[in-house]
Amino acid sequence: EDKVVQSPLSLVVHEGDTVTLNCSYEVTNFRSLLWYKQEKKAPTFLFMLTSSGIEKKSGRLSSILDKKELFSILNITATQTGDSAIYLCAVLYNQGGKLIFGQGTELSVKP
Amino acid sequence: DGGITQSPKYLFRKEGQNVTLSCEQNLNHDAMYWYRQDPGQGLRLIYYSQIVNDFQKGDIAEGYSVSREKKESFPLTVTSAQKNPTAFYLCASSPGPVRPQHFGDGTRLSIL
Repeated sequence: EDKVVQSPLSLVVHEGDTVTLNCSYEVTNFRSLLWYKQEKKAPTFLFMLTSSGIEKKSGRLSSILDKKELFSILNITATQTGDSAIYLCAVLYNQGGKLIFGQGTELSVKP
Repeated sequence: DGGITQSPKYLFRKEGQNVTLSCEQNLNHDAMYWYRQDPGQGLRLIYYSQIVNDFQKGDIAEGYSVSREKKESFPLTVTSAQKNPTAFYLCASSPGPVRPQHFGDGTRLSIL
């Protein structure tokens, strides 16, 4: 059975800390891995990773994919309280446009 | 502004009642999706549609129905056969099957 597993499930840090969120997957017919940030309501798109070893970066956030070891990490440097959210990892299938999601990591950044 | 609009934001269902959740997008996206999110869990796919007048079951379609009569609209009906409907429902759309999905603000459904 296909699955996406995120760790840790929850994390509490202080402003200024650097965090690393993990996502591992066992999915047949893999196309891409996506990261989303969910605050109160709609998940917002962060990154889509298709190739191994190429880092994607946006401000203090960065992510990389390892297709050999079947995992991805999302790094957030110099965390701020506004980074508090649930971070969702999802795998996009090669056909049909379906996404399979992990359970999410709930990040709380304290002042 | 372009986007995905879900309505209502909150919905209450009585036992034995069918309810319909609305999802409209003005992004001209071909593909639309419905997900369910329960506390502490990720999103699970209910139904999806790649083109008008065609849709497929996702992983948890039992007790739900959809239609796709127009490109911009993909309503979800939660039927009385869905025994545990209390959840947060999210609609998404994308330009195509290999592009990122973008989400609406969701509808929170509760049972009276």
